[in-house]
Amino acid sequence: GAVVSQHPSWVICKSGTSVKIECRSLDFQATTMFWYRQFPKQSLMLMATSNEGSKATYEQGVEKDKFLINHASLTLSTLTVTSAHPEDSSFYICSARGGSSLTGELFFGEGSRLTVL
Amino acid sequence: DAKTTQPPSMDCAEGRAANLPCNHSTISGNEYVYWYRQIHSQGPQYIIHGLKNNETNEMASLIITEDRKSSTLILPHATLRDTAVYYCIVRPLSGNTPLVFGKGTRLSVIA
Repeated sequence: GAVVSQHPSWVICKSGTSVKIECRSLDFQATTMFWYRQFPKQSLMLMATSNEGSKATYEQGVEKDKFLINHASLTLSTLTVTSAHPEDSSFYICSARGGSSLTGELFFGEGSRLTVL
Repeated sequence: DAKTTQPPSMDCAEGRAANLPCNHSTISGNEYVYWYRQIHSQGPQYIIHGLKNNETNEMASLIITEDRKSSTLILPHATLRDTAVYYCIVRPLSGNTPLVFGKGTRLSVIA
């Protein structure tokens, strides 16, 4: 199946700093990627839809200036958590549609665990 | 909001079949039923999807009722590695519609 890779797998940062998380589609081109956030013992919550070459679409309640999304190429989307605070500590997961449009399944990265001290 | 309802948890003995139910009574005609699972601290893994016919692959079988208002995911011979949260999601096949996750079913496979 299609492979989606995230980096870093985990990161610890100080409060007030910014952290960038990368999401790459390794063997297919993805015009659209999705970013999710997951708190402990909770389900995945959609944060935003990342479109190649255009501005991301954010879900209600997600601050676009806090969570900057850049999708500059067909294989890379980045999520930058700006001025991170402890409440931003979470598991961030990206997904992208597989190479074959006939199948429709979305593939997920391994996730990136952010801990803000 | 998720359009599916699943039991919060289930247990299954190792080697036995695990049958995970899902209700999706408001499913639209163009929506497929997708199943994903998430093993602890990993990204979700695609399992299977279907429209109205039963589907089978190397991981599982999907049984969809004739009225499409419910479905069952079957893991024929559950192993300890199948312990995970299983999510049933309805979504159109085409387009760039994201997956909207509900709370899923936490399956515990017991030795």
